[in-house]
Amino acid sequence: GAVVSQHPSRVICKSGTSVKIECRSLDFQATTMFWYRQFPKQSLMLMATSNEGSKATYEQGVEKDKFLINHASLTLSTLTVTSAHPEDSSFYICSARPSGLGSYEQYFGPGTRLTVT
Amino acid sequence: AQKVTQAQTEISVVEKEDVTLDCVYETRDTTYYLFWYKQPPSGELVFLIRRNSFDEQNEISGRYSWNFQKSTSSFNFTITASQVVDSAVYFCALSAGYNTDKLIFGTGTRLQVFP
Repeated sequence: GAVVSQHPSRVICKSGTSVKIECRSLDFQATTMFWYRQFPKQSLMLMATSNEGSKATYEQGVEKDKFLINHASLTLSTLTVTSAHPEDSSFYICSARPSGLGSYEQYFGPGTRLTVT
Repeated sequence: AQKVTQAQTEISVVEKEDVTLDCVYETRDTTYYLFWYKQPPSGELVFLIRRNSFDEQNEISGRYSWNFQKSTSSFNFTITASQVVDSAVYFCALSAGYNTDKLIFGTGTRLQVFP
């Protein structure tokens, strides 16, 4: 149980275009999902916290107009990188925390590697 | 400020050796949580353990063991009799303060286990 999927696993897009990444909790409901970014051989940095039915909370330094997050259902959150540039190339990872009191563990998706040419 | 330091960037061992991955954390909060995650080449993070700040008992799970010492702000991870399948990047993480959802990750330690 507790599987999180991401789609696509890899995407290559041209500079200036937008790309959408989906994060799904397959066998549980997640009121809260998280989006992380990981540069090669570096740590994961939290970008934003996504709450179902409300606006996402962005970490300091993350442009909310560039990284649009939508959490429209209890099993799906999407991250849209708008007007992508080569510096947006990175590994994007989502995680989901099961709904319910006392639930603390975050289950991570397999990640999406974005390459902007 | 909250911070996690994993000083070991990369460790190489031969199968069956024991290996310890170090983790040092910083936080001013008295209530906090420490985690270890494994990231195999596939990229997906695998949860290994969560420890709260009030529980200093060491834990053993099979070949894995964790040593939590508040006096030195360390939460070290030992793999006994390492195997090739243990090869991965291991991240130590901290959550503290009002937002315990926010995980602060260390920079990770890449472990390579050779046959």
